[in-house]
Amino acid sequence: GDSVTQMEGPVTLSEEAFLTINCTYTATGYPSLFWYVQYPGEGLQLLLKATKADDKGSNKGFEATYRKETTSFHLEKGSVQVSDSAVYFCALYSGGGADGLTFGKGTHLIIQP
Amino acid sequence: GAGVSQSPRYKVAKRGQDVALRCDPISGHVSLFWYQQALGQGPEFLTYFQNEAQLDKSGLPSDRFFAERPEGSVSTLKIQRTQQEDSAVYLCASSYLAGGVEQYFGPGTRLTVT
Repeated sequence: GDSVTQMEGPVTLSEEAFLTINCTYTATGYPSLFWYVQYPGEGLQLLLKATKADDKGSNKGFEATYRKETTSFHLEKGSVQVSDSAVYFCALYSGGGADGLTFGKGTHLIIQP
Repeated sequence: GAGVSQSPRYKVAKRGQDVALRCDPISGHVSLFWYQQALGQGPEFLTYFQNEAQLDKSGLPSDRFFAERPEGSVSTLKIQRTQQEDSAVYLCASSYLAGGVEQYFGPGTRLTVT
């Protein structure tokens, strides 16, 4: 079955540091890939997505590139802010019209001023 | 416009009680999904509706869990005879697409079974 593996947290960085959160996946066919973010006390928000190989999703300074050869979708940001502190989830959707998203366990990111 | 809303936001139930959790999707969204998120884990798929049809219920953990969407808009997730292991956040998501590549999530209902 489909699965998503992402790096364990918490990840603690200083403000303006470079961020990478690793995500790899196993899926049949050609899934769509997503990063969702969950701020404290709030629901899941779609951060970015990519629907085919070599696509780059980007939003709010975050980027991730769909790498089919390494089955990866690592999240990066060049300079993090305190306001980026949240839990980040990597997810995939295999399609077929009837299944939900498959999520990783989440990575808690803590940015210190 | 209004996003996905869920009610109640918090629910405490004694073991053995029945509970009903409500989801109001974004108006006009065809697809509706329910997920269960245990503490410290990612959400796990429970069930999927396309309009009023429940097309996939493979993720429901037991026959104590039941979901409905009778008119193709509001959905209710019902849990009968709640157990402690049912304690989790229940998330609802909707999508304007059939199948739901673009899913918009509600804030969730945190269920605590004592």
